[in-house]
Amino acid sequence: ILNVEQSPQSLHVQEGDSTNFTCSFPSSNFYALHWYRWETAKSPEALFVMTLNGDEKKKGRISATLNTKEGYSYLYIKGSQPEDSATYLCASEGRGKLIFGQGTELSVKP
Amino acid sequence: EAQVTQNPRYLITVTGKKLTVTCSQNMNHEYMSWYRQDPGLGLRQIYYSMNVEVTDKGDVPEGYKVSRKEKRNFPLILESPSPNQTSLYFCASSWGAHNEKLFFGSGTQLSVL
Repeated sequence: ILNVEQSPQSLHVQEGDSTNFTCSFPSSNFYALHWYRWETAKSPEALFVMTLNGDEKKKGRISATLNTKEGYSYLYIKGSQPEDSATYLCASEGRGKLIFGQGTELSVKP
Repeated sequence: EAQVTQNPRYLITVTGKKLTVTCSQNMNHEYMSWYRQDPGLGLRQIYYSMNVEVTDKGDVPEGYKVSRKEKRNFPLILESPSPNQTSLYFCASSWGAHNEKLFFGSGTQLSVL
């Protein structure tokens, strides 16, 4: 079983702060790295699926980078807003299976 | 509207009483999968299916069965539920097994007494 680790487990920031969190994953048998946003009482929603080493993706104020050689991905949120409060999940994909990390719970205070 | 529909949203049952959680998607996705979410453990994959009549075990398949007789449906069956199967369950689908984002259902909160 692959181990996907996310840090920190939780993060509390003020509105307007920029923040980032980390996802580390085994670099062998790598297919893709997924990021999902999961709001309380809702379902996870996809942010990014990344496959190439050095890839960088952006969606509004959220961006992500990928390093497949060393097995990590960063998710950045620029100018956090209260509506960004959610749990952010990463998942490493290999051979039809998706292994999720435990998530980083972000709380943005007005 | 493109969606993954899971039913029921909430279910309370007793040990040993067979139950089925249904999952249906209207996006013609080939890949479907079931996950369970437990506090402190993250989403764990139970079973997945790459296409009709093709299913495979995930990381925590014990106590569960699935079937994929039609492309759109992927029910999760608990033949004899036990209290350790109390959990939040999610069905998800995607176009293919690789490099495609998952679309999640709304979740099923199951309690086994």
